[in-house]
Amino acid sequence: GAGVSQSPSNKVTEKGKDVELRCDPISGHTALYWYRQSLGQGLEFLIYFQGNSAPDKSGLPSDRFSAERTGGSVSTLTIQRTQQEDSAVYLCASSSRVQGYGYTFGSGTRLTVV
Amino acid sequence: RKEVEQDPGPFNVPEGATVAFNCTYSNSASQSFFWYRQDCRKEPKLLMSVYSSGNEDGRFTAQLNRASQYISLLIRDSKLSDSATYLCVVTHTYGGATNKLIFGTGTLLAVQP
Repeated sequence: GAGVSQSPSNKVTEKGKDVELRCDPISGHTALYWYRQSLGQGLEFLIYFQGNSAPDKSGLPSDRFSAERTGGSVSTLTIQRTQQEDSAVYLCASSSRVQGYGYTFGSGTRLTVV
Repeated sequence: RKEVEQDPGPFNVPEGATVAFNCTYSNSASQSFFWYRQDCRKEPKLLMSVYSSGNEDGRFTAQLNRASQYISLLIRDSKLSDSATYLCVVTHTYGGATNKLIFGTGTLLAVQP
């Protein structure tokens, strides 16, 4: 597609449930990033993919968080046993390695854990 | 200490005013520098890159001082539509991987009529 697409745009879940967030990057973009932004906070790096591999997972806050990318395209961020502190906007961005920098962000998934 | 520091504001300025934002970064190996703009409840969007020689895009001027690890953004003749949060961003490469963006927490600008 023309831009980075994320789904769902909003998700309300009960504490303890698992959730899956999806990111569909710009076609041809090999680099994919997940960030999260809590209310009034800056963007916090979670994980980076180059192709299907994740050379940098340093930002994942706990082992409840995992992500995968298949076919060098769509990525899924999974949060298991959600907690209230997981409530945030989860943003995905993609970049062309050839381009080097200049990320395009999706509009995010607003996750609310009740 | 955060890797990228910004004054959170808010900066409340009248239309037509000139406003300047500053940012400092702690990692001297940082390679690339940007200003992003984020409107309320929207995703960040690239405003401009920042170079040591300084660069200008219309009413916006960005400057980088590598020696002081300091980045600035100047907005002239402020418009109501400039109201947003301005994010200072640096990148550096980890283990040969493509650049990762490190964001400041942002400076909120409110332009008043």
